[in-house]
Amino acid sequence: VIWMTQSPSLLSASTGDRVTISCRMSQGISSYLAWYQQKPGKAPELLIYAASTLQSGVPSRFSGSGSGTDFTLTISCLQSEDFATYYCQQYYSFPFTFGPGTKVDIK
Amino acid sequence: EVQLVESGGGLVKPGGSLRLSCAASGFTFSSYSMNWVRQAPGKGLEWVSSISSSSSYIYYADSVKGRFTISRDNAKNSLYLQMNSLRAEDTAVYYCARVGGIAAAGILGWFDPWGQGTLVTVSS
Repeated sequence: VIWMTQSPSLLSASTGDRVTISCRMSQGISSYLAWYQQKPGKAPELLIYAASTLQSGVPSRFSGSGSGTDFTLTISCLQSEDFATYYCQQYYSFPFTFGPGTKVDIK
Repeated sequence: EVQLVESGGGLVKPGGSLRLSCAASGFTFSSYSMNWVRQAPGKGLEWVSSISSSSSYIYYADSVKGRFTISRDNAKNSLYLQMNSLRAEDTAVYYCARVGGIAAAGILGWFDPWGQGTLVTVSS
């Protein structure tokens, strides 16, 4: 099983801030990593796949980087609609696993 | 428009059974692997099961292995999850999700899109 950690678990920020979320794997997964955004009461939505490829329709203020065991999601200029919980997920091998999530809330 | 719609959730007693369905539309269902993911109230996401496009490959999380069965009917554009011997810890919103990317991309992939979810509550 590939274990995943995310940090921070809670991030308080203001509109316009640059925020960074980290995701670390217990073993290397090349670039088989996705990032999702989830708002309360809604299904998760894909933001980034293959560690750094932006899903069609996702604003360019979102970006992803990393490979191997360390990955980062960056929001360059936080907007009001970005306050949500973010999850990373590895699809390198079964069982697929998700990080525990990072909640981004208003400072 | 690509769409996934889950149904079949509800209240069931411990030890009981439930069958979830996911109706797919807007894409060639038979060409994509599919997944079930669940989320307990107030908790994070947990992958449950995956099935390849032709049902040749099936995988389960250890937490449901031997109790849950994933299946699909490509003629009906539908995905299923038969859940037996349900426990309180199976209480969650269950989402179906398609493997992202191009058709016939295989079973290893990101999840896109997701359905809206169906709530399963296991309680006496």
